[in-house]
This record gives sequence, structure tokens and C-alpha cells, in this order.
Amino acid sequence: KQEVTQIPAALSVPEGENLVLNCSFTDSAIYNLQWFRQDPGKGLTSLLLIQSSQREQTSGRLNASLDKSSGRSTLYIAASQPGDSATYLCAVKRNAGNMLTFGGGTRLMVKP
Amino acid sequence: GAGVSQTPSNKVTEKGKYVELRCDPISGHTALYWYRQSLGQGPEFLIYFQGTGAADDSGLPNDRFFAVRPEGSVSTLKIQRTERGDSAVYLCASSENYGYTFGSGTRLTVV
Repeated sequence: KQEVTQIPAALSVPEGENLVLNCSFTDSAIYNLQWFRQDPGKGLTSLLLIQSSQREQTSGRLNASLDKSSGRSTLYIAASQPGDSATYLCAVKRNAGNMLTFGGGTRLMVKP
Repeated sequence: GAGVSQTPSNKVTEKGKYVELRCDPISGHTALYWYRQSLGQGPEFLIYFQGTGAADDSGLPNDRFFAVRPEGSVSTLKIQRTERGDSAVYLCASSENYGYTFGSGTRLTVV
């Protein structure tokens, strides 16, 4: 059974810092990995999707990497801003089946 | 529609009652998913539809939970004899090809 772990569970940083969020998964047989953002009381917004054959994806100040063999992904946020404060979730999609398995999330607070 | 719509946004019900949660996916998306998110945790898979049929219902916790999608568009998640442990945010997502679009969820509180 696939298990997804996110470290740290919570993170507080001053504005302007570069930061890294970590995601690990136990079964390397994945189809893709996706990073989501969730604001309080809201649904999930997709940030980046990495196919299993890819190593990284970039969107603006966000960069996500995937090392399938070691079961790890990182989300790098450059020059953090207070508006980046949210919960960040990673999720993997299995080769077989179409469900997403989510990690518990990292709650990020960026202080002005 | 432009996004995935879920109604109601909030539902408070008494223990033992029956509830229905509705999801209106993005037009044309054939895949629809239900997830449940408890406070401070990531979403957990409940059920997946491809068209009208449930392709995978392995995440439904017990037989009190049931979901339908009769015309391959709108889906309804039905919970019978609700228990306090059913309190959570119920999220719906639809998908075409690779990515997922989530709705804002229904916050269910069983008192």
C-alpha cells in the first residue's frame, strides 16, 4: 500500500526566504506526482504535475523535482511571500488505478 | 461549468440522519472522484467514477456510504445513519487526461 509522508508538518519563515518542502513515497511505481496548495476552508489548487518520466517542473517561483527511484519529491519556493502562506500537499497517482494518495501536508506561514 | 461545484458548502446534521452531498464536475470530464479530508490531514480516497460506473469504490469506509453518477455528470455522495466520526470535509474532483480540478468541498458536521 502506497504511503506518502510530508516533512515538515509545519513551517514558519520570514518573508523573502527560499524554502524546500519534502515529500516521500514508499512505492516507486508511480504514474505521476502532483503538488497542490490548499487555503483554509478552500479546495485544492494544482501547482505542478510531474510525470514519472520527468525530473522536474517549474512554474514562476516554484520548482518541483522528482526522484522516483528514491521515492522523493521536493517543492522549492523562491523568495517566499506572505501570500504563499497555505497548506501544501503532494499526491502520487499509481500506475494501476487512478486514485491519488496524499501526504498529510505542510502548513506554511510566511511572516512579513 | 468553469470549475467543480459542490453543494452544500456546509451541512450540519444530527447523528443517525441521512445526508446527500452533490458534486457538479467540469463539463466533459469523464472521471470524477470523491475524497474525505479530516482536520489536519490530507484527503483520503473514497470512490472514483469513469462515466456512469464506479470504477473503484475501494475507499468507501463501510456500507453506510454510497455514491451515484447516473448520467455521467453530476454525482451524489450519500451517507446513511450518520455518525460523529463522519464529520469531515468531503471533496470532489474531476479529471480529463492528467490533472485534477477540485471543488471547494462540503464541510459535514454530525452533532
